[in-house]
Amino acid sequence: SQELEQSPQSLIVQEGKNLTINCTSSKTLYGLYWYKQKYGEGLIFLMMLQKGGEEKSHEKITAKLDEKKQQSSLHITASQPSHAGIYLCGADDSDNFNKFYFGSGTKLNVKP
Amino acid sequence: DVKVTQSSRYLVKRTGEKVFLECVQDMDHENMFWYRQDPGLGLRLIYFSYDVKMKEKGDIPEGYSVSREKKERFSLILESASTNQTSMYLCASSFMDLKSSYNEQFFGPGTRLTVL
Repeated sequence: SQELEQSPQSLIVQEGKNLTINCTSSKTLYGLYWYKQKYGEGLIFLMMLQKGGEEKSHEKITAKLDEKKQQSSLHITASQPSHAGIYLCGADDSDNFNKFYFGSGTKLNVKP
Repeated sequence: DVKVTQSSRYLVKRTGEKVFLECVQDMDHENMFWYRQDPGLGLRLIYFSYDVKMKEKGDIPEGYSVSREKKERFSLILESASTNQTSMYLCASSFMDLKSSYNEQFFGPGTRLTVL
């Protein structure tokens, strides 16, 4: 089965600082999704990457997929308290496109 | 906007009780999923369904069953609840766009189940 490993598991940053979260897959990624979850709530879709080398941005969040399509990074610039939450990467199962896998998540706290 | 709703936000049950968690989506999605989320373990797939009356086991199906009699509704059943099933349960639905291979999952707000 496909595995997604996220690092770090948790992160505390001062407001205004930049940060990066990584997601590494055990198999080639055909679709990599980033989600954010506010504590105790459902997941909100952030963005999706498909092509090697692809980069997408939304407000102050940028996600990249490496050329080999086995690693993605999520970068937040000038973090704000509203960025706090759990960030999860998810991917289509390369053997069964009806299935989906998630990383274990990165818990982000932003200190004002 | 896609809307995925779950029957309860919080639920407290006793060991041995039969528990039903309901999930409804309003966008005619073929695929529906049940996950549980536990600290340090992330989201783990329990069961998923890619069509009415069709279901497949995920990674941790033991102790659970599912039902999908209508396209919009996917139910998770705990036949005899146990304390180790205390968790956050998340339902999701998706539609695979075959042209773009886009397969975004839309999530419900979650049900926090406590089994005493």
